Amino acid sequence: KAGVTQTPRYLIKTRGQQVTLSCSPISGHRSVSWYQQTPGQGLQFLFEYFSETQRNKGNFPGRFSGRQFSNSRSEMNVSTLELGDSALYLCASSLDQGGYNEQFFGPGTRLTVL
Amino acid sequence: SQQGEEDPQALSIQEGENATMNCSYKTSINNLQWYRQNSGRGLVHLILIRSNEREKHSGRLRVTLDTSKKSSSLLITASRAADTASYFCATDERGNTPLVFGKGTRLSVIA
Repeated sequence: KAGVTQTPRYLIKTRGQQVTLSCSPISGHRSVSWYQQTPGQGLQFLFEYFSETQRNKGNFPGRFSGRQFSNSRSEMNVSTLELGDSALYLCASSLDQGGYNEQFFGPGTRLTVL
Repeated sequence: SQQGEEDPQALSIQEGENATMNCSYKTSINNLQWYRQNSGRGLVHLILIRSNEREKHSGRLRVTLDTSKKSSSLLITASRAADTASYFCATDERGNTPLVFGKGTRLSVIA
């Protein structure tokens, strides 16, 4: 089975722009979770989608949004980028509810905001 | 918010030695998981231990869970240079909650 894929792998944007990141889960996995990883804050949970519904949301401003499509692929969007949004964004998929089973992570998208 | 907290933050050992990392958490949990991350890459799942289990093994890995102390430990035996990575514990609180990660332990295994 193919693993979790994320595109793009690297991205450079300037403040005020918006960005869309994509994640394709492992075939058959219905849950997709997104995390932001920075050196200072570690891994912070953004949101989880399950069967196209947002199941959980982390403590991030409304500039961060996401969605899941009927084929379980997911996208996250960050509008009005700030310097502090520079981070590694990780997507993870699992068979069912994100916390109860092991999660399979993609390689991440490295976002740099200038 | 951080649920799990790993200790130590960094650990440096010689190849062949054992490495022990600890994780403490705050609330009741369904399960606790350990992940490894090689520099700047995605995380790899190592082991999952349910709240009703006390010990689990997988190859050179041994995980223990003490729910009364709200703590877990990960032991890597006969470490190798390839074990050099950051190790994270993650927990899900009881109920429909997402996985919450600690800040990790950076392990360096010197050949």
